[in-house]
Amino acid sequence: DTEVTQTPKHLVMGMTNKKSLKCEQHMGHRAMYWYKQKAKKPPELMFVYSYEKLSINESVPSRFSPECPNSSLLNLHLHALQPEDSALYLCASSPRELTNEQFFGPGTRLTVL
Amino acid sequence: GQNIDQPTEMTATEGAIVQINCTYQTSGFNGLFWYQQHAGEAPTFLSYNVLDGLEEKGRFSSFLSRSKGYSYLLLKELQMKDSASYLCAVRDSNYQLIWGAGTKLIIKP
Repeated sequence: DTEVTQTPKHLVMGMTNKKSLKCEQHMGHRAMYWYKQKAKKPPELMFVYSYEKLSINESVPSRFSPECPNSSLLNLHLHALQPEDSALYLCASSPRELTNEQFFGPGTRLTVL
Repeated sequence: GQNIDQPTEMTATEGAIVQINCTYQTSGFNGLFWYQQHAGEAPTFLSYNVLDGLEEKGRFSSFLSRSKGYSYLLLKELQMKDSASYLCAVRDSNYQLIWGAGTKLIIKP
């Protein structure tokens, strides 16, 4: 299995909802990443987990809460989001945090109403 | 500040060659990456350069000059499926990836 999977593919939520994005990889990678990408912009790093511990938090608002239950899974819990949080949320993994190539999942297209 | 510059959009003809340039000013350098991203899809890794020179991989080649803060991605024998955005990213001294805004490449028959 050489891919990163993400669910759901699309998500529409209201500003008072609580939802979660899920990411999974079975390549034995020990680093996992959340990115946010707006249209026609490059990906913006949000969080990095290395060996299931939060390594980097790029000053992301607390309405985004990451969780790494085990080495294969990465969640992003969403609560009280704003319409400007609408974007493509990409998960990626790499063998370790400082290795060269990151493998990206297909993303979750999030719309906040 | 840290800055990556690449053209916003380029157009080329099927079967031709196109060169996408990237210049960077970053706090330190630990490698330069090129990713391809089709509309609505995730980025996919194309190449990695950390030493000066040309890396060739099939129809795609990537060049790096660290002294000039410059890289290019060369695509040969263009195919319609090469229509995509091409993202240049530099890993800085803290090993953080700094991304360019991407170059949208349009291939015409």
